[in-house]
Formats: sequence, C-alpha cells, structure tokens
Amino acid sequence: AQRVTQPEKLLSVFKGAPVELKCNYSYSGSPELFWYVQYSRQRLQLLLRHISRESIKGFTADLNKGETSFHLKKPFAQEEDSAMYYCALEDPGTYKYIFGTGTRLKVLA
Amino acid sequence: NAGVTQTPKFQVLKTGQSMTLQCAQDMNHEYMSWYRQDPGMGLRLIHYSVGAGITDQGEVPNGYNVSRSTTEDFPLRLLSAAPSQTSVYFCASSAGLGAYEQYFGPGTRLTVT
Repeated sequence: AQRVTQPEKLLSVFKGAPVELKCNYSYSGSPELFWYVQYSRQRLQLLLRHISRESIKGFTADLNKGETSFHLKKPFAQEEDSAMYYCALEDPGTYKYIFGTGTRLKVLA
Repeated sequence: NAGVTQTPKFQVLKTGQSMTLQCAQDMNHEYMSWYRQDPGMGLRLIHYSVGAGITDQGEVPNGYNVSRSTTEDFPLRLLSAAPSQTSVYFCASSAGLGAYEQYFGPGTRLTVT
C-alpha cells in the first residue's frame, strides 16, 4: 500500500543548527514528492517539490530512490522556520495525494 | 483573487444531522480535493475531482458525498454526521494534474456531538 512516513512528531533544534526532517515513502513506481508547510495561523502551503529541484527559504530535499526517502534539510535553522511540515506523495496514475502525519519543527533561540 | 474559500469556518452538528461544507476557487483550477486533518493522522484525502463532472474517492470517503457541477465549486456533503467525523476539513485546488502546487483553503472546524 502507498504510504508516507514521517517518524518524528516533534523536532527541536537551536537557531543556527542544521535541520533534517525525515520522510520515507512506500510506492511501487516513481511518485511525485512534495513538502508542504503550515506556519502558525496560516494556510498550508507548498514549500518545495522534487520535480523542480529547487531550494526554497534555504531548504532542499533530495530524492533517494534506493532508500525511498525524501528528507528535508536546511544547514542553518532560523526561528521563523518553526512550523508544521508535511511530506506528500502524488500517485501520477490516479492523481491521489497521500500526506504523512507531519513533523512539528521548533527552532529555539 | 480570493484563492480557495471555505464556508463555514466553524460548525457544530448533532449526530445524524446532515450538512454541506462549501469550497470555491476563482483560479480556474481543474483539480480540487477535500482532506480531513486529525491529530496524529496528518491529512487524509476524502474525495477529489480532476475536472467538472468527474469525481473519485480518496482514502477515507465513507460518510461523505461530493459533486462537481462547475469548475469553481466542490461541495462536501455529510449525509448523517457521526462523532468520528469531528475534524478539520481542508479544500484544495491545483491548476493541473501531475506535480502541480496545491492551494489550500483556510479550513472548516467541524464538531459532531
């Protein structure tokens, strides 16, 4: 079955420290992968997607097909990065989305 | 552009009541979807639509109906509310199919007593 796993419910780091939010997926094929973010009192919004190979707000995510992972990384965390982060998979055959359970990132001063 | 709008923002229902959650977008997006967000469960897809007149089931469709008579609107109907449907409901839309950004509405917080 298709699944997206985010093993950490809460991740706390100090400002300036590196951040890695883990995401593993289960899918027999080549899915489209995304990271969405929800800041306090704001709507859920796209952070980045694998197909664009972009860096947004200093975040990057590398697809590792062998490990079926799409971890989100940032070398130096900022306090404004504190938010809820969701990894998501789109099945390109059915266009169904599957979200992970989310990781709350807290960046401490 | 208002983007994706949802009404109401809050709703309390009694078990067995029915209601419709409204979702509209003014971006001429083809793809629209409904999710529910529960603590520890993330977002789960209820129903989605790839265009007007076309709908399909997501991961948790039971107890919900949808229709897509226009490109702009995608209402979600609860036929007979149950306490298990207490949740926050999000509507989203995207311009196309395949790796397009989804734009989310502000959510509707539903409580069923």
